Order: sequence, then C-alpha cells, then structure tokens
Amino acid sequence: DAGVIQSPRHEVTEMGQEVTLRCKPISGHDYLFWYRQTMMRGLELLIYFNNNVPIDDSGMPEDRFSAKMPNASFSTLKIQPSEPRDSAVYFCASSFTGYGTDTQYFGPGTRLTVL
Amino acid sequence: QKEVEQNSGPLSVPEGAIASLNCTYSDRGSQSFFWYRQYSGKSPELIMSIYSNGDKEDGRFTAQLNKASQYVSLLIRDSQPSDSATYLCAVRTSGTYKYIFGTGTRLKVLA
Repeated sequence: DAGVIQSPRHEVTEMGQEVTLRCKPISGHDYLFWYRQTMMRGLELLIYFNNNVPIDDSGMPEDRFSAKMPNASFSTLKIQPSEPRDSAVYFCASSFTGYGTDTQYFGPGTRLTVL
Repeated sequence: QKEVEQNSGPLSVPEGAIASLNCTYSDRGSQSFFWYRQYSGKSPELIMSIYSNGDKEDGRFTAQLNKASQYVSLLIRDSQPSDSATYLCAVRTSGTYKYIFGTGTRLKVLA
C-alpha cells in the first residue's frame, strides 16, 4: 500500500483566501484523523472520523475550519478565510481498529503558509 | 483537559549509550500508549505501542508502562546518531479513539 497520501505538500496563500487540504487514507482503515503541528503547540488533533462519520471535532479552532469525508478513500480540510496564524503543518493519519490494534499511520503532511 | 507531558529536551547522549525518554499522562483510564519518532521536516512514524503494564522490547527499543503511576518510558539501547530526532508520546483517551500527543522530547546522539 502507498500509505496515507496528502496533497498538496506545500501551500502558500494570502490571508483571506480559501485553502483546501486533501487526504487519501490507507485502504481498509476505518478511522481518519486531521492534526495540526506548530512549534508552540505541538501536534493537535483537529477532528477525527469513523467510517466517514465525524466523531469529535472539538479540536477545530473555529468556524473557519471545516472537514468532510464523502467516502472511505477521501477527506478534505478546508480553511475559509485563511489567516496568518493558520500557518502550520497539517497531517492526516488513518488507523484500522480491527484485531485489537489502533496504530495510526501518518501522511507526509501539508506545510501551509498564510501570508 | 487530558494531558500528556514530556520534557522538551534536548536530551544529549553519547553514541552507544542508553537514552531514556519519559512521559506522564493525566487520564487514568487510558488504555493505549505509543511512541513516535519524528525527524525534522518529516511525519511521525511509530516506534512502539504498549497496552499492558511492564516492558515491551523490540530490537534496541524498550517501552515501559506503569499505569498506577501514569508513566510511560522509552529506552533506546546502543544509541546511534541516526536516532537523533524528536520522540512523541501519544495516549489514546479512555472510551474514545482520540489521541493526545505530548510536545515531544528532542534527542541528540553525539558521535
């Protein structure tokens, strides 16, 4: 398997623009997670899905952030409008909870810079 | 707020020595514990998972879990310069599939 795939790998945008980050989880995995990582706050969970259904979005910073998972192989994280403080690395991760395991596998991340 | 605490480091050890990384967590009901390694500019990669009290060994790595003390540690034997990275402790909170990560300990192995 190719692992978790994220696109784009780098995104530079201007304040006020809409940003869409994309993720393809590992096939067969039933959980998908979106994280944000900054030097100040470390790795923060934003939202996670189980079988395409959002379970906990308490980590989403504000209404400017939204996430969807229309099917088992695709998820998006959207920021509208973007602000400079949204600059961070955004990771998508997926896991399979069968057989008593719950290991998360991370994608390569999207480095977002908002000017 | 359920938290996971780690010393940020850097922890510097000479090549060949044992590196000891520590983590404490606040949610007493937590069941799953993980150590991830993250090289600069890369994504976290799983080193070890541990679910029961005691030690779990995998090659040069040993994870130790003490649920009574709410403490998880990672020992790296025969440390190599390639082990230099940030090590993240993660805990799955009780009753959920929500994972809380510590801020990581930066390890430097000196050649």
